Amino acid sequence: AQSVTQPDIHITVSEGASLELRCNYSYGATPYLFWYVQSPGQGLQLLLKYFSGDTLVQGIKGFEAEFKRSQSSFNLRKPSVHWSDAAEYFCAVGGVKSGYSTLTFGKGTMLLVSP
Amino acid sequence: IAGITQAPTSQILAAGRRMTLRCTQDMRHNAMYWYRQDLGLGLRLIHYSNTAGTTGKGEVPDGYSVSRANTDDFPLTLASAVPSQTSVYFCASRNQPTTYNEQFFGPGTRLTVL
Repeated sequence: AQSVTQPDIHITVSEGASLELRCNYSYGATPYLFWYVQSPGQGLQLLLKYFSGDTLVQGIKGFEAEFKRSQSSFNLRKPSVHWSDAAEYFCAVGGVKSGYSTLTFGKGTMLLVSP
Repeated sequence: IAGITQAPTSQILAAGRRMTLRCTQDMRHNAMYWYRQDLGLGLRLIHYSNTAGTTGKGEVPDGYSVSRANTDDFPLTLASAVPSQTSVYFCASRNQPTTYNEQFFGPGTRLTVL
C-alpha cells in the first residue's frame, strides 16, 4: 500500500533562512509526487509535482524539491523563507488503487516563520 | 474565474440531521473527489467519481453518500449526521486521463455536528 511520511509536525524557521521539509514515501511502482501548501482557512494549492525526468523540480513561490529514489524521499526546499510562507505543507503520492486514481497525503508539516 | 466552489463555507448541524455539501467545478474535469481533513490525520478520501454517472468509495465512506449526475457537480450527503463527522471537507477535481495530473482543491466547508 502506498504511504507518505512527513516526520516533522512543526518546523520554525527564521525569516530569510533556508528551509527543508522532509517527505518519505512508500509505493511499489514509479511514484507521482506532489507538494501542496495550505494557508489558514484555505484549500490546498499545488506547489510542484514530479512524475519523470529531471529529479530536481521547480515550483511556484521559489520552492523546489528533489526526488531521490534510493532514499524514497521528495524533500521540499526554499533558499530564503518569507513570512508569507507560514502555512501547512503536505506531501502526496499519486497512484492507482482499485480502479481509481488516488492521492495519498502525509499528515502535514506546519511551518512557522519567526522574525 | 475557473475553479471549484463549495457551499456552505461553514455549518453547525444538530446530530441526526441530514446535510448536503455542494461542490461545483467549471474546469470540465472528469474526476472529482471528497476528502475530510482532521487534525493529525491529514486528508482522507471519502468518495470519488471518475466520470459523470459513476462513483466509488474511498478510505472513509461510512455515513456519506455522493452522486454525479453531470460533469460539474458532486454533492456529498450526510444522511444522519454524527459528532464524529465534525471536520473540514474538501472537494477536488482532476483532469484525466493521465495519472500524474494533479488534483485541484476547493476552499473547503467547515462542518460542526453537535
